[in-house]
Amino acid sequence: DIQMTQSPSSLSASVGDRVTITCQASEDISDYLNWFQHKPGQAPKLLIYDASNLEIGVPSRFSGGGSGTDFTFTISSLQPEDIATYYCQQYDNFPRTFGPGTKVDVK
Amino acid sequence: QGQLVESGGGVVQPGTSLRLSCAASEFTFSAFGMHWVRQAPGKGLEWVAVILYDGTNKFYRESVQGRFTISRDNSKNAVYLDMTSLRAEDTAVYYCLRDRVSYSARPSGTYWGPGTLVIVSS
Repeated sequence: DIQMTQSPSSLSASVGDRVTITCQASEDISDYLNWFQHKPGQAPKLLIYDASNLEIGVPSRFSGGGSGTDFTFTISSLQPEDIATYYCQQYDNFPRTFGPGTKVDVK
Repeated sequence: QGQLVESGGGVVQPGTSLRLSCAASEFTFSAFGMHWVRQAPGKGLEWVAVILYDGTNKFYRESVQGRFTISRDNSKNAVYLDMTSLRAEDTAVYYCLRDRVSYSARPSGTYWGPGTLVIVSS
């Protein structure tokens, strides 16, 4: 199985701050990577697909990059509504695997 | 993106069986691969299974292989997860997901239903 790691596991930042999360795959997954936002009590929501493509309707403050084994997810200006856990997921191989998540909080 | 609504969750005893259903609407169901993903209490997301758009190919995570079966009925716009020999570690919210791209040879599972809770406990 492809192992996905994320760092940090949690972070707290101020409104307006730039926030970056990293995701690393245990082997080359090209750009077959999604980023999801998961708020408590809600279904997870797709933000980024194919590592760097913004899903329709998602605010432009969210962005993704990387390929191969190393990926980044950035919120350019953190907003209060961005409080959530963020997961990366690879879809290069079965079983599909998720990172352990990064919990984002606002100071 | 359409709508997905899961049902069939509940409290069951270890060793028993349960069928989850996912009703799809507002998209061409037969064109999309469908997945099940679960989240145990306090844990992260765990992919469970996928069935491709035409039902010809299915893939499972190892821990459910042989116990869980994913199926679909394109005439009813529904996907199912038949779970047998349930264990305490199967306790989770189970989500139904749709692929982002139609007729995808690389199903990714991107749009989620609200989930249904399965509790396996004696």
